[in-house]
Amino acid sequence: AQTVTQSQPEMSVQEAETVTLSCTYDTSESNYYLFWYKQPPSRQMILVIRQEAYKQQNATENRFSVNFQKAAKSFSLKISDSQLGDTAMYFCAFMSISGNTGKLIFGQGTTLQVKP
Amino acid sequence: SQTIHQWPATLVQPVGSPLSLECTVEGTSNPNLYWYRQAAGRGLQLLFYSVGIGQISSEVPQNLSASRPQDRQFILSSKKLLLSDSGFYLCAWSFGGLRSGNTIYFGEGSWLTVV
Repeated sequence: AQTVTQSQPEMSVQEAETVTLSCTYDTSESNYYLFWYKQPPSRQMILVIRQEAYKQQNATENRFSVNFQKAAKSFSLKISDSQLGDTAMYFCAFMSISGNTGKLIFGQGTTLQVKP
Repeated sequence: SQTIHQWPATLVQPVGSPLSLECTVEGTSNPNLYWYRQAAGRGLQLLFYSVGIGQISSEVPQNLSASRPQDRQFILSSKKLLLSDSGFYLCAWSFGGLRSGNTIYFGEGSWLTVV
């Protein structure tokens, strides 16, 4: 069974600084999808970034980028130029490519606080 | 563009009472639809998913059921709520079809407190 581990329960960063959130996962599959979701105090889950495992190039979305290390099964999220609005809980998630269930396996989350 | 709406946002129900949470998606046809539940301070767990009208798959045996009476409508129900059903419930959708790995988009969520 696949598992996702986020080892940092809480992190903080100063506004305008850079922060990296860690995520590791375990799977025997060679092809899959990885996601980072953000959950602000409103509780709505918002997609931050997505990575296909068959792509070697790391995904980027504006100030958000990932460091995808397939062999190490690591998928970290880097937030550059942190803004107060980035304060939220961040979840790493895994989706198997087999079937079409849309089953996301989530990590336990990392609470990020951006300080002014 | 596509939108997803979920209601009610907050619900307080006594033990043993019924439950109905509703979700609709606009701007697309034949979406895949999902119900997830989030325990306090934790990641989400998939409860049900549907690839078409009347097609429901359950991931976790429980006191809840789901129905899809229309293409873009997904309902989470219970005949008799338990205290353990309390939590944050999110409806979600993705583009349908056989292609896997479609990004899942979430609704605003519903807080359910069973008292």
